[in-house]
Amino acid sequence: ELKVEQNPLFLSMQEGKNYTIYCNYSTTSDRLYWYRQDPGKSLESLFVLLSNGAVKQEGRLMASLDTKARLSTLHITAAVHDLSATYFCAVGGGADGLTFGKGTHLIIQP
Amino acid sequence: NAGVTQTPKFRILKIGQSMTLQCTQDMNHNYMYWYRQDPGMGLKLIYYSVGAGITDKGEVPNGYNVSRSTTEDFPLRLELAAPSQTSVYFCASRSYRSSYNEQFFGPGTRLTVL
Repeated sequence: ELKVEQNPLFLSMQEGKNYTIYCNYSTTSDRLYWYRQDPGKSLESLFVLLSNGAVKQEGRLMASLDTKARLSTLHITAAVHDLSATYFCAVGGGADGLTFGKGTHLIIQP
Repeated sequence: NAGVTQTPKFRILKIGQSMTLQCTQDMNHNYMYWYRQDPGMGLKLIYYSVGAGITDKGEVPNGYNVSRSTTEDFPLRLELAAPSQTSVYFCASRSYRSSYNEQFFGPGTRLTVL
């Protein structure tokens, strides 16, 4: 059974700081996804990582994938309040859907 | 393109009532999915479909049924609502032709069973 673990589950940080969210998964998988969810809203796709060593960046967010360690990271650089949200990683991408982590609830305070 | 649409947005049911959650996509995607999200948790797969007439169970299918008579629609049926089915339900779809296999999510249906 595929399991996906994120940590931390809750993170409060100040604007301007850097931090990393970690996503571990239990079995080999084709693809890893990062999503953002604002309160009461749906999921917004941030990154899709396909291969070992993949790195993608969008603004202050950078995601990476180490398939040998079964680990992905989402790094936040110089955080701003607008990045406050819940971030999910998910693994899979086959016909049978995605397996999600529990999410990291991120609060960025001025 | 409207993308993935879901109705209703909110619903309150009494224990034992039944209802159908509607999901429609206009992207001609073959694959469609139903997930539920409980408070403070990630999404869990209920059912999925790889094309019209083909459905299969996900991780948490008990208490639900689905059908897929057209490419566009993938309704989720609750026959005897129970408080444990209080959740937010998301429908998603994706194209089989995409190398990323990226799923696109609807806005969700917030269901409360009392």
